[in-house]
Amino acid sequence: EDQVTQSPEALRLQEGESSSLNCSYTVSGLRGLFWYRQDPGKGPEFLFTLYSAGEEKEKERLKATLTKKESFLHITAPKPEDSATYLCAVQARGTSGSRLTFGEGTQLTVNP
Amino acid sequence: KAGVTQTPRYLIKTRGQQVTLSCSPISGHRSVSWYQQTPGQGLQFLFEYFSETQRNKGNFPGRFSGRQFSNSRSEMNVSTLELGDSALYLCASSLVFVSNTGELFFGEGSRLTVL
Repeated sequence: EDQVTQSPEALRLQEGESSSLNCSYTVSGLRGLFWYRQDPGKGPEFLFTLYSAGEEKEKERLKATLTKKESFLHITAPKPEDSATYLCAVQARGTSGSRLTFGEGTQLTVNP
Repeated sequence: KAGVTQTPRYLIKTRGQQVTLSCSPISGHRSVSWYQQTPGQGLQFLFEYFSETQRNKGNFPGRFSGRQFSNSRSEMNVSTLELGDSALYLCASSLVFVSNTGELFFGEGSRLTVL
């Protein structure tokens, strides 16, 4: 059974204070690992897809990296508008359709 | 273009009742999947529809059902509601059944409270 564990559950940062969120996963052959952002009262919003160990993706202040067992979402010099819950999800090779297994997320708060 | 639209946004039901939730995907998107989000369990996959056929089903009891219409709009139904069914129900659409990027477009969800 595919499993995704995210840590920490919650993280408070000061504006400009860089940090990383962790996503550990267990899957029988990774097809893709996905990062989403969810704002309060909204649905998740897609950020990145990573396919293989060593791959990196960047978007503004966010950078996602992937190893064979975990993924990191690095946040450089965060701003208050980066406050959100960040969700990690995986899809196993051979899974049909859009079925993803999500972690419970990391709630990030960036104080001004 | 318009995003994924879910109705109703909020609803309150009592135990034993049934509920129907609606989802209109992004225009042109043919795949619709449903997720349940709760504080303790996170997002859990319910089912997925493509071309009016259920293609995937998660580990939920038979009280949870769904369907998709020819215009790709989808509905999910929960019968004999239980307190534990209180959750945010999220609908997500994608252009094709198997996306190269895995990108799903989520609606804002329907928040169900069961009393």
